[in-house]
Amino acid sequence: SYVLTQPPSVSLAPGKTARITCGGNNLGGKNVHWYQQKPGQAPVVVIYYNSDRPSGIPERFSGSKSGNTATLTISRVEAGDEADYYCQVWDSSSDHRVFGGGTKLTVL
Amino acid sequence: EVQLVESGGGLVKSGGSVRLSCAASGFPFSLFTMSWVRQAPGKGLEWVSSISGSNSYIYYADSVKGRFTISRDNAKSSLYLQMNSLRAEDTAVYYCARHGEASDDSTFDYWGQGTLVTVSS
Repeated sequence: SYVLTQPPSVSLAPGKTARITCGGNNLGGKNVHWYQQKPGQAPVVVIYYNSDRPSGIPERFSGSKSGNTATLTISRVEAGDEADYYCQVWDSSSDHRVFGGGTKLTVL
Repeated sequence: EVQLVESGGGLVKSGGSVRLSCAASGFPFSLFTMSWVRQAPGKGLEWVSSISGSNSYIYYADSVKGRFTISRDNAKSSLYLQMNSLRAEDTAVYYCARHGEASDDSTFDYWGQGTLVTVSS
């Protein structure tokens, strides 16, 4: 089965830039979506189709992809950005949707 | 306003069954693929199953195939998940989620608040 790999945690001070990676085999041929989940809440999409940002999501959130790695970048990190972040793709070989293991962002 | 409201969760014994429902409103339900996604306590998100708007395509995660059945009633704007032969590892919050577009690789653009299923041994 297809696997997406994320770092378990990222910690940084307010105002810094957070970069959360998501790696997978042949990821270059897939579209990557990113979700933010705060404690006790449902996930919210923050980036879709690799780099598109839904309305209402701050411009500080951006997405990119290079080779087999996708990156969610959060500029000028704020305390309110503390959350778990998940990447997700569709695996065409199995018709399965796949999530990465999630990355816990801590703002020090 | 798009709304997804899950119900049907609760405490069930190992080997038992439960049926989850998701009531949708605020959009033309029959035009959208829908999915169930679950999250075990303290764990990450796991996709469970998807069903296309016309029921033409249904997919399951390997972990639930043969035990869970997804269905929908477009006249009632409702999504269902029949869960049989439940195991302790099925304990999770189950989210109903809408796909943003008709393409297979679309994002989950709206989510319900989830319903907790606890399987006891």
